[in-house]
Amino acid sequence: DVKVTQSSRYLVKRTGEKVFLECVQDMDHENMFWYRQDPGLGLRLIYFSYDVKMKEKGDIPEGYSVSREKKERFSLILESASTNQTSMYLCASRQQGNLLTGELFFGEGSRLTVL
Amino acid sequence: TQLLEQSPQFLSIQEGENLTVYCNSSSVFSSLQWYRQEPGEGPVLLVTVVTGGEVKKLKRLTFQFGDARKDSSLHITAAQPGDTGLYLCAGGTYGGSQGNLIFGKGTKLSVKP
Repeated sequence: DVKVTQSSRYLVKRTGEKVFLECVQDMDHENMFWYRQDPGLGLRLIYFSYDVKMKEKGDIPEGYSVSREKKERFSLILESASTNQTSMYLCASRQQGNLLTGELFFGEGSRLTVL
Repeated sequence: TQLLEQSPQFLSIQEGENLTVYCNSSSVFSSLQWYRQEPGEGPVLLVTVVTGGEVKKLKRLTFQFGDARKDSSLHITAAQPGDTGLYLCAGGTYGGSQGNLIFGKGTKLSVKP
């Protein structure tokens, strides 16, 4: 069964803390994505990666960075968490070669609360 | 900037009713996907349509891509409580900052027994 696994389902952090969100996929997909999901705003793309060591900014990259050292792992980093980063974070992967029609496989999400 | 507008934003119906959800844009998309997200889970792909006018059926769900590839609809016949969830449309497009896929904000469907 194909799977995208996010390391934490729920996290509570304090303002100013460094936060790591880990995502691992077992499908050998080249493309990986980080979205945040907020009520009324839908899914907004933070960063994506077409392959190992590659990264591209999405619509809302400010306050975030990413790391893709291995093909199966894509990490989202909040250098200094702020309360406006409280959100649901979704990781997804997709096979390369199907940019317009390829299925995105999502993880279950990581709900981050910043106090 | 390409946008996908979904309507309605919320929909609450009784089991057995029919419903239609819309996804509209002023831009042309190369493809259109529909995802369903159940509470506490990530979205799951329901269908991909790529040809203008294309109609696909998945049991009680019927998906249509507009002739001009600017809009799409999802029709559910005889809705069941298991259809409850957030329905997201996503348009495929080259380039940009969206990783080739632009999401609508979703329609939250609640089907009451």
